[in-house]
Amino acid sequence: AQSVAQPEDQVNVAEGNPLTVKCTYSVSGNPYLFWYVQYPNRGLQFLLKYITGDNLVKGSYGFEAEFNKSQTSFHLKKPSALVSDSALYFCAVRDHASGGSYIPTFGRGTSLIVHP
Amino acid sequence: SAVISQKPSRDICQRGTSLTIQCQVDSQVTMMFWYRQQPGQSLTLIATANQGSEATYESGFVIDKFPISRPNLTFSTLTVSNMSPEDSSIYLCSAGGSSGRGIRSPDTQYFGPGTRLTVL
Repeated sequence: AQSVAQPEDQVNVAEGNPLTVKCTYSVSGNPYLFWYVQYPNRGLQFLLKYITGDNLVKGSYGFEAEFNKSQTSFHLKKPSALVSDSALYFCAVRDHASGGSYIPTFGRGTSLIVHP
Repeated sequence: SAVISQKPSRDICQRGTSLTIQCQVDSQVTMMFWYRQQPGQSLTLIATANQGSEATYESGFVIDKFPISRPNLTFSTLTVSNMSPEDSSIYLCSAGGSSGRGIRSPDTQYFGPGTRLTVL
């Protein structure tokens, strides 16, 4: 079975400060991990993914995420937040194990609010 | 990447009627999915639309209520039948896996802009 948790419903950060949106996962095999962003009244946009290789993944709009196998985490980060980063962020996981689902499981979402 | 369009973008419908949502992908994809999302909340998978075969529905969703078509590798429709106010939601189409690759490929899922449905 695969599952993903986003422990924070909302994250507040001041513009220019670093931001972190947390995600932890559970799979029986190796994970494929994804981050998506959803702006108001829009569909989900792909930000970045971890499949294999370097634990630090860089994505769109200056975002990056670090895969930590020992902590089963894939936190989303950005060094300097912008007001325009305010949106809903979703983490997703797929289990790469034999017999694992080919459909990712999405977290419940974290609302990021960046204050001017 | 894939660009996905949905029609209509929004609609207001009367109880008891049906609405068909269209999803068009700009490239051939193996898998297409339909999700439901309450505003500001997470996604609930309705079904996987398989080309050339019947859709695979998740628990709590049935074909009579949400019939799906997948006539080719770039297009799918979802019908919300006999609507009630509880069906008011955002319906998202998603696609992943380039045509010819196995379903276990790690290709990213891409999403359409969504259809905002209000049932009165």
